[in-house]
Amino acid sequence: DIQMTQSPSSLSASVGDRVTITCRASQGIRNDLGWYQQKPGKAPKRLIYAASSLQSGVPSRFSGSGSGTEFTLTISSLQPEDFATYYCLQHNSYPPTFGQGTRLEIK
Amino acid sequence: QVQLQESGPGLVKPSQTLSLTCTVSGGSISSGGYYWSWIRQHPGKGLEWIGYIYYSGSTYYNPSLKSRVTISVDTSKNQFSLKLSSVTAADTAVYYCAREGDYGDYDYWGQGTLVTVSS
Repeated sequence: DIQMTQSPSSLSASVGDRVTITCRASQGIRNDLGWYQQKPGKAPKRLIYAASSLQSGVPSRFSGSGSGTEFTLTISSLQPEDFATYYCLQHNSYPPTFGQGTRLEIK
Repeated sequence: QVQLQESGPGLVKPSQTLSLTCTVSGGSISSGGYYWSWIRQHPGKGLEWIGYIYYSGSTYYNPSLKSRVTISVDTSKNQFSLKLSSVTAADTAVYYCAREGDYGDYDYWGQGTLVTVSS
């Protein structure tokens, strides 16, 4: 299985901050990566697909980049509703595997 | 707008079989083009992909669960189902059904259902 290592595992930030979350794949996955946001008691919600494409309806403050083994999710200016847990997902090869998550908390 | 909804017992006894159904609305499973998956999340933990099914009935399972998993589809009801046999407390989780979309990841998810394995 491809291992996805996400960092940091948790992060404290303030409204208006710029935040970056990183995901590293144990082998190259081209751009077969998605980013998801999950709030307590809810299903994950797709934010980014194909590493850098913004899901329709998702605010433009979210962006993704990377290819191969290293990927980033950036939130340019944190809003109160962005405090949640974020996961990356590789779907280059089966089984698809998720990062362990980054919990984004209010400072 | 595609919607998915999980249903099934919230409590299963150890060694028994967990059975869940996902009902799809706003789109037809039999139209093809998409894989329909089950994903689970242990309490307070990360996400684990269980397996998928295509409308034709072809399946692929996570090797870590393959010996205990069966996914089936009923196109007449626009549903697909999960069976996980010989469950233990380690199978306690929120179970999600999801659609594998055009880009290979999961664009639509059900709300999730908590299944607890306990006597």
